[in-house]
Amino acid sequence: GESVGLHLPTLSVQEGDNSIINCAYSNSASDYFIWYKQESGKGPQFIIDIRSNMDKRQGQRVTVLLNKTVKHLSLQIAATQPGDSAVYFCAELVPSWADSWGKLQFGAGTQVVVTP
Amino acid sequence: GAVVSQHPSWVICKSGTSVKIECRSLDFQATTMFWYRQFPKQSLMLMATSNEGSKATYEQGVEKDKFLINHASLTLSTLTVTSAHPEDSSFYICSAREALGREAYEQYFGPGTRLTVT
Repeated sequence: GESVGLHLPTLSVQEGDNSIINCAYSNSASDYFIWYKQESGKGPQFIIDIRSNMDKRQGQRVTVLLNKTVKHLSLQIAATQPGDSAVYFCAELVPSWADSWGKLQFGAGTQVVVTP
Repeated sequence: GAVVSQHPSWVICKSGTSVKIECRSLDFQATTMFWYRQFPKQSLMLMATSNEGSKATYEQGVEKDKFLINHASLTLSTLTVTSAHPEDSSFYICSAREALGREAYEQYFGPGTRLTVT
């Protein structure tokens, strides 16, 4: 049958402001996390990653924060631009019996809309 | 940077027919490739993991006889949707992991294939 339509959480941000996107991950054994950006009709694009032995990592205009105590991840985008409009997913590398590296498990995603 | 391509980028097929989607790593060797499915407004769901030269490992709830995966070389994996039905209409995304030897985890995503079954 038809799948029920879901609505992604949406974050509306004014151009030039900072954006904060939050993610709760599920597996306390996960030791590697990645943020992806996905534009409409395209595959995910790597933004930034962080290992569990760190609590903060900075890239160009982006910062990822990791709080292992509450299993929370956030992505901060500085001076948000129209080109930042997309869906953002966090992903955790979950241990897997089938793969020594583990497997990526994606969060639900957040739609970021940048308004002029 | 590492590039993963998919072909076709979109396909329309009739209900009951089969359709094959190709995933290629263009400038690196991928011992492991992954296939994801994404419905509108939803996240990516892992369907299966394939290692070159061996059988794919399917996630729970994914029918291995319906979604045939072949990973015959270090640069090519194929996903065949057999006896497709309208509910198989989705965005299929492949991903490739570079061969061993790297310290960091590197998994690269393809641009996706939009499948519409009429």
